[in-house]
Amino acid sequence: QKEVEQNSGPLSVPEGAIASLNCTYSDRGSQSFFWYRQYSGKSPELIMFIYSNGDKEDGRFTAQLNKASQYVSLLIRDSQPSDSATYLCAVRAGGGSNYKLTFGKGTLLTVNP
Amino acid sequence: GAVVSQHPSRVICKSGTSVKIECRSLDFQATTMFWYRQFPKKSLMLMATSNEGSKATYEQGVEKDKFLINHASLTLSTLTVTSAHPEDSSFYICSASEQMNTEAFFGQGTRLTVV
Repeated sequence: QKEVEQNSGPLSVPEGAIASLNCTYSDRGSQSFFWYRQYSGKSPELIMFIYSNGDKEDGRFTAQLNKASQYVSLLIRDSQPSDSATYLCAVRAGGGSNYKLTFGKGTLLTVNP
Repeated sequence: GAVVSQHPSRVICKSGTSVKIECRSLDFQATTMFWYRQFPKKSLMLMATSNEGSKATYEQGVEKDKFLINHASLTLSTLTVTSAHPEDSSFYICSASEQMNTEAFFGQGTRLTVV
């Protein structure tokens, strides 16, 4: 059973702080890693994806991947109240029929003004 | 990012009737589309994987005769909930990928209420 684990939160940070969201996965064959943001009542929105070990930065967001530790994280710098949402980590094994995404349960982030 | 359009956004139907949900990729051709269901405060649950021109692959526990999926073209997949019952009330979301190993973009979702 392929699993993706996230701390459900809620994670509460003050406006302007760095929010750190973590995710671990069980399948060592996983090749692609995605972070989605989901506002209440809305569908997920892709924030970032990462395939290689290390950091990937896009604006205020940085994804970090460590395949040896089976760990992927998302850092949000200068957090804004509009960042308050549930953040979903998704992992794809890749190859053959395994292109589907396995989602974690999500971490609820609250950014306080 | 790519645009995936899902329609309708909300639907209320009577128990026993069928409901069709459409998922369209507007600016790319989607080889693969995925259908999810999400209950309140729960994570996304994959229902099936839809590949253009072939039969959908359903996840364990999902009734293929109840949730009919058609992916007749590279830009359109449909999910039909047949003989809907109140327990089928949920948020149904599709996602689409241009290729099997590229990122997936989500439609707006359809909130189905069966009364």
